[in-house]
Amino acid sequence: EPEVTQTPSHQVTQMGQEVILRCVPISNHLYFYWYRQILGQKVEFLVSFYNNEISEKSEIFDDQFSVERPDGSNFTLKIRSTKLEDSAMYFCASMTDRGRNIQYFGAGTRLSVL
Amino acid sequence: RKEVEQDPGPFNVPEGATVAFNCTYSNSASQSFFWYRQDCRKEPKLLMSVYSSGNEDGRFTAQLNRASQYISLLIRDSKLSDSATYLCVVNSGYALNFGKGTSLLVTP
Repeated sequence: EPEVTQTPSHQVTQMGQEVILRCVPISNHLYFYWYRQILGQKVEFLVSFYNNEISEKSEIFDDQFSVERPDGSNFTLKIRSTKLEDSAMYFCASMTDRGRNIQYFGAGTRLSVL
Repeated sequence: RKEVEQDPGPFNVPEGATVAFNCTYSNSASQSFFWYRQDCRKEPKLLMSVYSSGNEDGRFTAQLNRASQYISLLIRDSKLSDSATYLCVVNSGYALNFGKGTSLLVTP
């Protein structure tokens, strides 16, 4: 069964450093998303991406965040200068079309900012 | 105002029991509704979509009341493997809006 793949599974970084989280969405999917989940809290939407541009973003997704689809398979989330409060699980999701609106999630990257 | 609200639980039930979870949402323009399941420190996994007419998938039944902005999930004949957090999820636009989840523990 096709799946969304995320790397690394765990990323440890120092405050102020840049991190790039990587995702390979399901191959025929057209819509791509990033969510985060701080420990003990709900899953929160960050950004959606379609047709090589951001289609929607939340208040969380400020200038420190950016997304890119550098080639036909990868979808990345960059945090320019990490803060302690960026520590969370980051989930990538993809969707084939908006008909059924079903998003499939990767296993996540645990980001720990020290 | 929270967009999607759920009773956090935990719900502790014996194997074989029937358990029901409820959820309310605030955005009347919401278009799609789901129940996801999340195991500890894992990704959310789709359990089922929820339709206005109500729908069933094996031991799981979901209901949607658009007038009351209320969603429910019924699990019959609970199994140990049903132990997880159940996330009520509402879609409006591109984003999925998640509830905080209801924790279920099924005991032998």
